[in-house]
Amino acid sequence: GAVVSQHPSRVICKSGTSVKIECRSLDFQATTMFWYRQFPKQSLMLMATSNEGSKATYEQGVEKDKFLINHASLTLSTLTVTSAHPEDSSFYICSAPRGGASTDTQYFGPGTRLTVL
Amino acid sequence: KQEVTQIPAALSVPEGENLVLNCSFTDSAIYNLQWFRQDPGKGLTSLLLIQSSQREQTSGRLNASLDKSSGRSTLYIAASQPGDSATYLCAVKSYGNNRLAFGKGNQVVVIP
Repeated sequence: GAVVSQHPSRVICKSGTSVKIECRSLDFQATTMFWYRQFPKQSLMLMATSNEGSKATYEQGVEKDKFLINHASLTLSTLTVTSAHPEDSSFYICSAPRGGASTDTQYFGPGTRLTVL
Repeated sequence: KQEVTQIPAALSVPEGENLVLNCSFTDSAIYNLQWFRQDPGKGLTSLLLIQSSQREQTSGRLNASLDKSSGRSTLYIAASQPGDSATYLCAVKSYGNNRLAFGKGNQVVVIP
């Protein structure tokens, strides 16, 4: 079946540093990927839609200069949390629809736990 | 804006009992509804997907129903097992919108 991977699975960093998270579709091409953030006991909140070859679309309230998204190829999207602060500590999950953005099923990565000290 | 609510937020049941998890959504103009399982600190695993034209989907011990007009879906898990302990998330995809709107989840503990 379709697999989406994320790297790293866990990262701890100091306040003020930047952290890059990778999302890869392993056996299919994804022109669109979605980035979510999840706080403890909360639902997944969509942060942005990553589009291969064009700019990402950010949800209202998400700072695009803080959460940089690059969809450099059909199998890789990266999320960079710039100048991370403790309030950015969260669980970040990406997903990719197989077959295009309007396809029914989305496949989710295993998530990245970010802890900012 | 689509809002998804899941009740109960948490429940514990003894092994062997049937589980009933509820999901409601505010906008009935949905494209599909999907149930996911999430284990602690892990990503999401898709369990069942129901298209807007369907009433239910079944996979093994899992059965999901959809009543679009009333904005409700129910996930039934028959004869629960300790391995069913997880958080179950309901997500709705609306027409004209590729995004998924998630509920906060039903946290389930099955007691051996």
